[in-house]
Amino acid sequence: DQQVKQNSPSLSVQEGRISILNCDYTNSMFDYFLWYKKYPAEGPTFLISISSIKDKNEDGRFTVFLNKSAKHLSLHIVPSQPGDSAVYFCAASGGNQGGKLIFGQGTELSVKP
Amino acid sequence: DARVTQTPRHKVTEMGQEVTMRCQPILGHNTVFWYRQTMMQGLELLAYFRNRAPLDDSGMPKDRFSAEMPDATLATLKIQPSEPRDSAVYFCASGIRIGYQETQYFGPGTRLLVL
Repeated sequence: DQQVKQNSPSLSVQEGRISILNCDYTNSMFDYFLWYKKYPAEGPTFLISISSIKDKNEDGRFTVFLNKSAKHLSLHIVPSQPGDSAVYFCAASGGNQGGKLIFGQGTELSVKP
Repeated sequence: DARVTQTPRHKVTEMGQEVTMRCQPILGHNTVFWYRQTMMQGLELLAYFRNRAPLDDSGMPKDRFSAEMPDATLATLKIQPSEPRDSAVYFCASGIRIGYQETQYFGPGTRLLVL
């Protein structure tokens, strides 16, 4: 039972354009959502988060949107840069999960010059 | 620049040998997590501790895996005996809870290959 799903294993975007990464969840008790970026041979790096009381959080080029009714969140990167090429994981916590993060399977973003 | 450190970064061993992985969480963080990443399963949570007490190790094969926190600056994950199916990257993460929100910060991982 996968509670957090990233249905697109990969995404390719042109430099300067917008990248949109999507994530769906099934547990309505989740109240905190995070995005991590992972380069090969490194650990995941925290990027941005959002609590369930908000529907948008912005940090520089990165914006996370949360649609609770649809149980959907997305990460927008504008403008995309070649250095953004990495695997992006969404994660969720809350409810009966305690402090655990439940991760999606990841989306590999490739930003082409 | 506070970081989670993990040793060793790489480990190659033979089936049946004991493997010990170490993690130093970020100073001041009171939660430590162990994850395993494989191609098939993605990031799986193996175990986690809060204030050095084990809270959940349900993701860990109990017969061969053990996780401990001998002190606040060291967490260990041990596999005995190791098997080829244990080959994976093992990540440690530490976190601190603010209100009901907790952000985890990951170490660079230990890449384990069991032959």
